Amino acid sequence: AQSVTQLDSHVSVSEGTPVLLRCNYSSSYSPSLFWYVQHPNKGLQLLLKYTSAATLVKGINGFEAEFKKSETSFHLTKPSAHMSDAAEYFCVVSDRVSGTYKYIFGTGTRLKVLA
Amino acid sequence: GAVVSQHPSRVICKSGTSVKIECRSLDFQATTMFWYRQFPKKSLMLMATSNEGSKATYEQGVEKDKFLINHASLTLSTLTVTSAHPEDSSFYICSAQASPSGLNIQYFGAGTRLSVL
Repeated sequence: AQSVTQLDSHVSVSEGTPVLLRCNYSSSYSPSLFWYVQHPNKGLQLLLKYTSAATLVKGINGFEAEFKKSETSFHLTKPSAHMSDAAEYFCVVSDRVSGTYKYIFGTGTRLKVLA
Repeated sequence: GAVVSQHPSRVICKSGTSVKIECRSLDFQATTMFWYRQFPKKSLMLMATSNEGSKATYEQGVEKDKFLINHASLTLSTLTVTSAHPEDSSFYICSAQASPSGLNIQYFGAGTRLSVL
């Protein structure tokens, strides 16, 4: 079975500094990986996805993630944090279960951006 | 991008009543829809997988008679919380998977905050 581990439950950065949210995955085959963002009391918005094409994936709002097979990682980065980036971020792997592709969620990382 | 509409966004009900939550894919057909429950400051817990025209598949520990799911068309799935009790209070989120989907992407609704008094 596939799984993802988000290494930090909370991350705090100052506005204008880089963001790094870490995610490691476990998979017996080439995975489909996603990053979603959730603002308070809202649904989830897709930031970016990796599906075995380019290993460096660019997403919305300046976020990007790099798939590193040797490290089984898919860390999310942004060069310069903005106040509006404060939210909960979920790393997700897609797993085929009984013919259906289901999402396996990480436990989430809460990003706080300090003024 | 694909849009999923979830309604209502917030509902308050009395204990013992039933509540229906709708999930619609607005600009694509969704063969598969998913229902999640999210506890405060926690990740999403998959409750059930809903395929159009067939019975929903429930995850272990989820009461199918308590959480009724209907997926009558390729754009609509409903979750009915029957005889709701305070312990059913939670944030419920639906998602839809486009059909045909080679990328397995789920598009999420905005969620429904259920409060049972």
